[in-house]
Amino acid sequence: DGGITQSPKYLFRKEGQNVTLSCEQNLNHDAMYWYRQDPGQGLRLIYYSQIVNDFQKGDIAEGYSVSREKKESFPLTVTSAQKNPTAFYLCASGTDSGANVLTFGAGSRLTVL
Amino acid sequence: SQKIEQNSEALNIQEGKTATLTCNYTNYSPAYLQWYRQDPGRGPVFLLLIRENEKEKRKERLKVTFDTTLKQSLFHITASQPADSATYLCAPPNPGGSYIPTFGRGTSLIVHP
Repeated sequence: DGGITQSPKYLFRKEGQNVTLSCEQNLNHDAMYWYRQDPGQGLRLIYYSQIVNDFQKGDIAEGYSVSREKKESFPLTVTSAQKNPTAFYLCASGTDSGANVLTFGAGSRLTVL
Repeated sequence: SQKIEQNSEALNIQEGKTATLTCNYTNYSPAYLQWYRQDPGRGPVFLLLIRENEKEKRKERLKVTFDTTLKQSLFHITASQPADSATYLCAPPNPGGSYIPTFGRGTSLIVHP
């Protein structure tokens, strides 16, 4: 089945640690996205990539980093510079053309201890 | 800057009634608008897309309207069921010219049996 796989589902981090969230898609989509969701708030765009080896900052990129070495993969690293990293992280992919309907992963919940 | 507004309070209705959710946007005119459903702890799932030249779009018990004069989209669920309980997100594209969906906060729908 085609889709997006995010891992891990739950992740705990101590302050000062970097953590990496995995996102893999087999939909052959050109574009991939990372959103952050906090309680009572909408999805906020962290980073996006429209093509391999290229990515752009979204609205809240500070404290995060990404890479896009393969079309299928778009990992997100939450660095120690992110002041409030506890949140629900969603990865998505889309065709980046036309109406660009997104397919989302199941999400990763990060908690800082 | 553009703004997307959805009812922040939960909508409670009785099973069998029609649920109507509102999405208002300001400061730009999107060419289309998407609606997604999100269940707790899960990623959003695409439901419907409506374009600016379409007044109405239907899919089974779902109906979406798009009033470009009022800058508003309405999302209707007829003959609602408890299984329809979820958060519904509207998502017009980013006004910067990209195809990136920008999400509202969503409205929580609770259908009581």
